[in-house]
Amino acid sequence: SAVISQKPSRDICQRGTSLTIQCQVDSQVTMMFWYRQQPGQSLTLIATANQGSEATYESGFVIDKFPISRPNLTFSTLTVSNMSPEDSSIYLCSVEQGHGYTFGSGTRLTVV
Amino acid sequence: AQSVTQPDIHITVSEGASLELRCNYSYGATPYLFWYVQSPGQGLQLLLKYFSGDTLVQGIKGFEAEFKRSQSSFNLRKPSVHWSDAAEYFCAVATTGNQFYFGTGTSLTVIP
Repeated sequence: SAVISQKPSRDICQRGTSLTIQCQVDSQVTMMFWYRQQPGQSLTLIATANQGSEATYESGFVIDKFPISRPNLTFSTLTVSNMSPEDSSIYLCSVEQGHGYTFGSGTRLTVV
Repeated sequence: AQSVTQPDIHITVSEGASLELRCNYSYGATPYLFWYVQSPGQGLQLLLKYFSGDTLVQGIKGFEAEFKRSQSSFNLRKPSVHWSDAAEYFCAVATTGNQFYFGTGTSLTVIP
């Protein structure tokens, strides 16, 4: 299965700033997914990113807040914009290969 | 609508005792079913998955799960729990449309 490198692993950010999270996959994948895991909660899908097209956002998530890039088949970024304390979560990227899903190790974001 | 239910928010077992974590799903067709484990501060690790065939699935770390269509369940079991099994466990369902639904998780505490 694919190996995903996600960074940063954690960060503490000031309110109103933005953070870009990167995911690098060791093989080419068609679809990449971005999830949010709020404290004590399960994972919630933010968006699906396909190379060469706009990301598809789930209900409650918008591109202005969570812009995503997918420049090639092995890389994607998620930006958390204009952060507030409510954005404090773990953010994970994921790829699907033959119905198997692999996750990055996550980015633990704290907004102060 | 698709959903995944993990009725047990928190379970405590003694080291060496058997373990069963419950998972029920709601999905019209045959689902793809997964169990993931998340250790503190870590990302998600796939324990096992079910796509088709034998309804008893073997996974890593001595875990197994049984798919019971009549009960819409996919319970995770381990005959003898180790202290290192203490973690958060997530059941998940993937649909043919590559939508991925997570349960809210079960937190496992292992006491010596």
